[in-house]
Amino acid sequence: EAQVTQNPRYLITVTGKKLTVTCSQNMNHEYMSWYRQDPGLGLRQIYYSMNVEVTDKGDVPEGYKVSRKEKRNFPLILESPSPNQTSLYFCASSLGSRGGEETQYFGPGTRLLVL
Amino acid sequence: GQSLEQPSEVTAVEGAIVQINCTYQTSGFYGLSWYQQHDGGAPTFLSYNALDGLEETGRFSSFLSRSDSYGYLLLQELQMKDSASYFCAVANQAGTALIFGKGTTLSVSS
Repeated sequence: EAQVTQNPRYLITVTGKKLTVTCSQNMNHEYMSWYRQDPGLGLRQIYYSMNVEVTDKGDVPEGYKVSRKEKRNFPLILESPSPNQTSLYFCASSLGSRGGEETQYFGPGTRLLVL
Repeated sequence: GQSLEQPSEVTAVEGAIVQINCTYQTSGFYGLSWYQQHDGGAPTFLSYNALDGLEETGRFSSFLSRSDSYGYLLLQELQMKDSASYFCAVANQAGTALIFGKGTTLSVSS
């Protein structure tokens, strides 16, 4: 089954404790991205990757890191989480970007609470 | 930069027709996308319009007017399962990332 998976689905942590949210897709997609979703603010892009070893900042990259060492994986790293990073996070992938023409497939989401 | 405006909430009854509008401001335009998200779930793709006009997919249709920087999603024969949030989205100037509107919450009642 073609899918995007994220782990963990739910996470409660404390301020300053490094964490990684994994994202993996099995569709051989080149393009992957991370979004956060907050009430009233919609989906905001954190980082995206056009291909292996190619990443770039989205609209809200502060406090996050990413890496793309393999085509299928695109982990999101919070080096020192803070309470304002409490949010619902989605990973997404698509064949390419092409101005939005390519359908983005979203993972199930990760709910993060930073105390 | 890119910005999108859509109503925050829309309510309707089963069987009715509802239109969700989206206006956008962009520096460079490729097309307008629509995504649906049920409460607590992942967004799923509905449609993409690059050219002016109406595109129909079953009960859902999407319209684009590039000259007016405007589009809408039309949902016909509404069902309870259509209760969800609907997001319009455009690409950034480089075409490398999607910018989403804040979403419209549709509530369908019986």
